[in-house]
Order: sequence, then C-alpha cells, then structure tokens
Amino acid sequence: AQTVTQSQPEMSVQEAETVTLSCTYDTSESNYYLFWYKQPPSRQMILVIRQEAYKQQNATENRFSVNFQKAAKSFSLKISDSQLGDTAMYFCAFMKRADYKLSFGAGTTVTVRA
Amino acid sequence: GAVVSQHPSWVICKSGTSVKIECRSLDFQATTMFWYRQFPKQSLMLMATSNEGSKATYEQGVEKDKFLINHASLTLSTLTVTSAHPEDSSFYICSAIRDYLDNEQFFGPGTRLTVL
Repeated sequence: AQTVTQSQPEMSVQEAETVTLSCTYDTSESNYYLFWYKQPPSRQMILVIRQEAYKQQNATENRFSVNFQKAAKSFSLKISDSQLGDTAMYFCAFMKRADYKLSFGAGTTVTVRA
Repeated sequence: GAVVSQHPSWVICKSGTSVKIECRSLDFQATTMFWYRQFPKQSLMLMATSNEGSKATYEQGVEKDKFLINHASLTLSTLTVTSAHPEDSSFYICSAIRDYLDNEQFFGPGTRLTVL
C-alpha cells in the first residue's frame, strides 16, 4: 500500500510571498503519478499540478511548481506570489499507474494573509 | 469540459433510512468512477471503484452491504447508504476518469449527508 505524508497541518503566508508545502510518499511501484489538489471552502477538489514519475523535469503551472525528488520520494509544492484565492486545503496524492486509485495525504491548510 | 455533478448536494435523513447519491459525468463518458468519504478537516478516503457494467470494488474496511454502488451507464454511478446511522454522516465525493491516457480524475462537488 502507498503512504502519503504531509507533515505540515497548517501554513500561513503573506500575500505576494512564497510558501512551500512538503509531501513524502512511500511506494515500491515504479510507474506512478503524483498530484497536488486544492480544496477551497466550497470543498470542490481542484487539480493544481501533476507529475509523471518517469519525467525528471519538475512540473510547473503558472505560480505553482513542484520539486520532485524521486530517490528521496519527495514531492513538494511551491506557491509563488501567493494570492488570497490560494487560501485552501492542499492535498498531495499518489496514483499507481496500474489502477488509477488516488491515495491522499492528510492535507495542509494554507491561509494567505492580506 | 470534464464536468462531474452530484445530486443531492446536501441531504438530511432519519436513522434507519436509506439515501441514494448520484454522480454524473455531464460531458464525457466515464468508464471508471470512484467514491470517497471525507470527515471534517480530514483527508479523502477512497471507498470504492466503480466500473460500468460490473460490480464495484470496495476498499478494505468498507462495508459493501451498507454502501451499495451501481454504475449502470457510462455517465452515472450511484451510492446508496443503506440503513443510515449518525456515524455515516460525512461528506461523500465522487470522481471520474475521462481518459486513461490522461490519468486525471475529475471530481464532483460532493454531497453532505447528515443522519439524525
């Protein structure tokens, strides 16, 4: 079974600043995907960014980027130029290529201060 | 595109009754759908995988007789909570895969179930 660990329950950041969320995972799989999802107060799950394990290049989506360290099984998310709308719970998730099931971490609540 | 809806968005029922939650993919065909459960301020826990035309696959610890899942068409999966009790109160979320090559799960808005 896959385990996803998010060690930061809460993070607070000033508007326009940068915040980094940590995520580690444990797996024996070689073919997998990693995701960061955002869940705002509406509770709608929104895909922020994803990374294929076979790709060495770190994924980037506008102000969101990841630092994927495969050997260390680490997958951190950096939010640059934080905006008030970034306030949400962020979940790191692991997907095994074989069955497409998602395993989620416990989540990190991010609060952006004006 | 890739919109998933859930109905109802909020339901309150009496203990002992059954409640059905629908999950629909509005603009694509979803061969596979997933059902999750989320308690307040906690993570999503996968309950079951639903494939069109076949029996759902339940995760360990999930009572398949309590949580009945039916995936009757490529756009509809239903979750029925049978003989609901207060401990079944939770937020239920479905998701669907549009394209296996794409691997992205598209999530519904969730259904809040309160059992009195």
